[in-house]
Amino acid sequence: AQTVTQSQPEMSVQEAETVTLSCTYDTSESNYYLFWYKQPPSRQMILVIRQEAYKQQNATENRFSVNFQKAAKSFSLKISDSQLGDTAMYFCAFLQGAQKLVFGQGTRLTINP
Amino acid sequence: DTEVTQTPKHLVMGMTNKKSLKCEQHMGHRAMYWYKQKAKKPPELMFVYSYEKLSINESVPSRFSPECPNSSLLNLHLHALQPEDSALYLCATRDRLWNTEAFFGQGTRLTVV
Repeated sequence: AQTVTQSQPEMSVQEAETVTLSCTYDTSESNYYLFWYKQPPSRQMILVIRQEAYKQQNATENRFSVNFQKAAKSFSLKISDSQLGDTAMYFCAFLQGAQKLVFGQGTRLTINP
Repeated sequence: DTEVTQTPKHLVMGMTNKKSLKCEQHMGHRAMYWYKQKAKKPPELMFVYSYEKLSINESVPSRFSPECPNSSLLNLHLHALQPEDSALYLCATRDRLWNTEAFFGQGTRLTVV
């Protein structure tokens, strides 16, 4: 079975700093999709960024970027110039078999003023 | 319209009650999901509907009964629940054809007393 592992239960940084959240996954599939979702206290799950495994180029969305290492099965999220509004739970997710979206355990990120 | 609407937002029910959770979308997405999320945990997949047919049931107890009456609606019928079923129930939809990200509703906070 595919698994997604986030090894950092909690992280805390100062506003404007850069922070990197780690995610590793295990799969036998060759083509798949990876996502980072953000869940603030309002509880709405919001997509931060997505990566297609067949694309070698790392995805970037404004202050958010990923470091996708397919051979190492690693998919880390970098948040640059962090803002107070970035405080949330962050989940790494893997789309398995084109249907099943599986989540890691999450990292609680706190941005301090 | 990129919204997934879940009703009710909060629900308190007794163990002998029957209630239903509702999820509605108008994005034309043909994959719809129910997730259960306990506090400080990742969402756990319960059911997946693909083209209005149940395609994945993650061995969920029969006291949870999903229904997809049409391509815009997804229901979760609840009967004889236990206190441990108290959780946030999230609905998500995805464009089955293009393997895009899942869009989530704000969830229903369920408390079983």
